[in-house]
Amino acid sequence: GQQLNQSPQSMFIQEGEDVSMNCTSSSIFNTWLWYKQEPGEGPVLLIALYKAGELTSNGRLTAQFGITRKDSFLNISASIPSDVGIYFCAGPPGSNYKLTFGKGTLLTVNP
Amino acid sequence: EAGVTQFPSHSVIEKGQTVTLRCDPISGHDNLYWYRRVMGKEIKFLLHFVKESKQDESGMPNNRFLAERTGGTYSTLKVQPAELEDSGVYFCASSQVGSYNEQFFGPGTRLTVL
Repeated sequence: GQQLNQSPQSMFIQEGEDVSMNCTSSSIFNTWLWYKQEPGEGPVLLIALYKAGELTSNGRLTAQFGITRKDSFLNISASIPSDVGIYFCAGPPGSNYKLTFGKGTLLTVNP
Repeated sequence: EAGVTQFPSHSVIEKGQTVTLRCDPISGHDNLYWYRRVMGKEIKFLLHFVKESKQDESGMPNNRFLAERTGGTYSTLKVQPAELEDSGVYFCASSQVGSYNEQFFGPGTRLTVL
């Protein structure tokens, strides 16, 4: 089945630092989604990308849809303690409804 | 507007017992999905309902799992009999008609099988 390789697996950073994580796939994705999961909660959609090359921001978060359509990046600028959580990339392979998820990046922000 | 809700939040059962998980989607969302995350692995698709109809249950692990959505509103996922490898977090998500990408997730049910 489809697999998304997400890296890094975990990050431990100081408050104020910038963060970057990425996802790659062996096959083309038509949509890239970035979710954040906090303890005791379900994944919450942060950013959705629909076109190759698209760069989209949501506050301090910026995500890009790779030109090859096989990768995506998420950047968080000036991290704050409430950014802690697990960040997942996801996408529906092709045009269907089944989301395929990466394994997640666990972000810890040290105040 | 209320989000997706799931009940219970946690369930601890013994191997061989039966457990039923419930999901209430966002009102008006015809699409309902079940996913599962086993410890250390990625979140994986289990099945998809459109209203009361199962559109795709290709992700269901085996016939010990039964999902229903009578009336097209809430859904239940029953595991009978539960095995150790069924432990994990079960997420439900919903989306509007035609909007498959923007799926809204519930908080999940953490199932532990001892």
